[in-house]
Amino acid sequence: ILNVEQSPQSLHVQEGDSTNFTCSFPSSNFYALHWYRWETAKSPEALFVMTLNGDEKKKGRISATLNTKEGYSYLYIKGSQPEDSATYLCASTSGTYKYIFGTGTRLKV
Amino acid sequence: GAVVSQHPSWVICKSGTSVKIECRSLDFQATTMFWYRQFPKQSLMLMATSNEGSKATYEQGVEKDKFLINHASLTLSTLTVTSAHPEDSSFYICSAGTWEQPQHFGDGTRLSIL
Repeated sequence: ILNVEQSPQSLHVQEGDSTNFTCSFPSSNFYALHWYRWETAKSPEALFVMTLNGDEKKKGRISATLNTKEGYSYLYIKGSQPEDSATYLCASTSGTYKYIFGTGTRLKV
Repeated sequence: GAVVSQHPSWVICKSGTSVKIECRSLDFQATTMFWYRQFPKQSLMLMATSNEGSKATYEQGVEKDKFLINHASLTLSTLTVTSAHPEDSSFYICSAGTWEQPQHFGDGTRLSIL
């Protein structure tokens, strides 16, 4: 994989549902994987940075996991609330010192 | 937390005009700032890396004479779209921070060239 890919592109869930999204990234020369939340009319807000294979991070109802060997990360939201509605972006940084962003997953609760 | 201010947030101007977008780090010193462009339904595409006191590093395919970047101080980077044309209409956003850390983003600038 040369690009960072996110799926699904958009998602509509009911309040209280749990959900998850996927970010696939190049596994070679990997350095870090970032997750951001981007609400309408605001700037992207950093959620997590993960660097090690098997890393798991949690912030309230949101958590993320990282698999650097196969090149994917999952973002989980437990008990979705309307305020979780946003676009969730992941970005990969590698040995080329660049940020490569995915196209995002648009969540509507 | 760290704050990055970007303005203007919205610009509409005639073809041939040059447009300057400012990105300021309000409460920290940013030796490195990044400029991105986003077309509808596409990802943020890195245009260039702006380093304080030195020339910007442009990504492949980005015309440096078209998109002039100046980073003269530790708190301010500017992107000037010179002689803008309709195909330059896009969403431009800056961020500050080193490449290995989470970025602090501005609110973005929506540029429309008539």
